[in-house]
Amino acid sequence: DAGITQSPRHKVTETGTPVTLRCHQTENHRYMYWYRQDPGHGLRLIHYSYGVKDTDKGEVSDGYSVSRSKTEDFLLTLESATSSQTSVYFCAISPLGPPYEQYFGPGTRLTVT
Amino acid sequence: QQQVKQSPQSLIVQKGGISIINCAYENTAFDYFPWYQQFPGKGPALLIAIRPDVSEKKEGRFTISFNKSAKQFSLHIMDSQPGDSATYFCAASMEGGTALIFGKGTTLSVSS
Repeated sequence: DAGITQSPRHKVTETGTPVTLRCHQTENHRYMYWYRQDPGHGLRLIHYSYGVKDTDKGEVSDGYSVSRSKTEDFLLTLESATSSQTSVYFCAISPLGPPYEQYFGPGTRLTVT
Repeated sequence: QQQVKQSPQSLIVQKGGISIINCAYENTAFDYFPWYQQFPGKGPALLIAIRPDVSEKKEGRFTISFNKSAKQFSLHIMDSQPGDSATYFCAASMEGGTALIFGKGTTLSVSS
């Protein structure tokens, strides 16, 4: 998984609770991404980062925020989880920079009840 | 214009057969076309990629065919094996773009 770990790997949470997912990389790549994967929708970009404290929104960013205080860590936060955010979340890195050759982590399966 | 349309949604192929998955795009600025393979419970893994300056790229049993004029590209898996059973995603991106634009995926089942 390209030196990427995600935690937790599985989480069940209740509607309205905050949730933070962590992505950690060992290679110090500048570019990192968060995607969600849902049946029938493929992979959709939530947020991405192009450096420490440099982040921007993707296609489906509503209800999500991100932070990157260290090169190796990229955090995704659901401020108040909703059932529509039940999904599998993947972190990715891009060694060559956008928008080429992305490598994905193992994913986090999040269920919001 | 940012969409990548992938077909079929699912595919069943006999062992030893050829699996073909197609993708179409509208944005002529796209200049990088990767394919990803994903097994259940795993993240997508980069399989093979092509740039529009070539019409075909082959890596082992996997071949990308690219038709620039038709704005289509396809993945061919020769001598398909049960171990190839997975979900395949095409994607596209362009210089200056933010990230990859993914198709919705094709679930391939190779029967033994």
